[in-house]
Amino acid sequence: KQEVTQIPAALSVPEGENLVLNCSFTDSAIYNLQWFRQDPGKGLTSLLLIQSSQREQTSGRLNASLDKSSGRSTLYIAASQPGDSATYLCAVNRDYGQNFVFGPGTRLSVLP
Amino acid sequence: EAQVTQNPRYLITVTGKKLTVTCSQNMNHEYMSWYRQDPGLGLRQIYYSMNVEVTDKGDVPEGYKVSRKEKRNFPLILESPSPNQTSLYFCASSLIGQDEQYFGPGTRLTVT
Repeated sequence: KQEVTQIPAALSVPEGENLVLNCSFTDSAIYNLQWFRQDPGKGLTSLLLIQSSQREQTSGRLNASLDKSSGRSTLYIAASQPGDSATYLCAVNRDYGQNFVFGPGTRLSVLP
Repeated sequence: EAQVTQNPRYLITVTGKKLTVTCSQNMNHEYMSWYRQDPGLGLRQIYYSMNVEVTDKGDVPEGYKVSRKEKRNFPLILESPSPNQTSLYFCASSLIGQDEQYFGPGTRLTVT
């Protein structure tokens, strides 16, 4: 059974720092992996999608990497801003039918 | 505007009183899915549908029903709600093969 974990559970950093969020999954047979952002009381916003054949994806200050063989993905946020404060979730797609398993999330606070 | 809508956004009900949470998307997506989000457990998939009249169980389907009679709508039905179904519910949709999921704003359900 696929299990997804995220470390750390919570993180508080001063504005301007670069930071790394970690996601681990137990079964390397995945179709893709997606990083989401969730703001309090709101739905999820897709940040980056990495196909199983890819090693990384970049969008602005965000960079996500995927090491399928070791069951790990990282989300790198450069020059963090208070507006980046949110919960970050990773989700693993188990097959083409889009059967997603989510991690518990990392709650990020960026202090001004 | 491309979006996924859910109704109601908030619902308080009593044990055993049948209820339906509606989900609608205007992006002509084939794939739709329901999740519940609970503290410490993250998001867990309830049911998903790959197209009209095609539905499959996710990880936690017990106590729920769904139907997909039209491409745009994917209602979640609780025939006899119980307090353990108190949760935050999200609907999501995507194009098969494109994979990026779009989430609705969430429905907070309380069953007393």
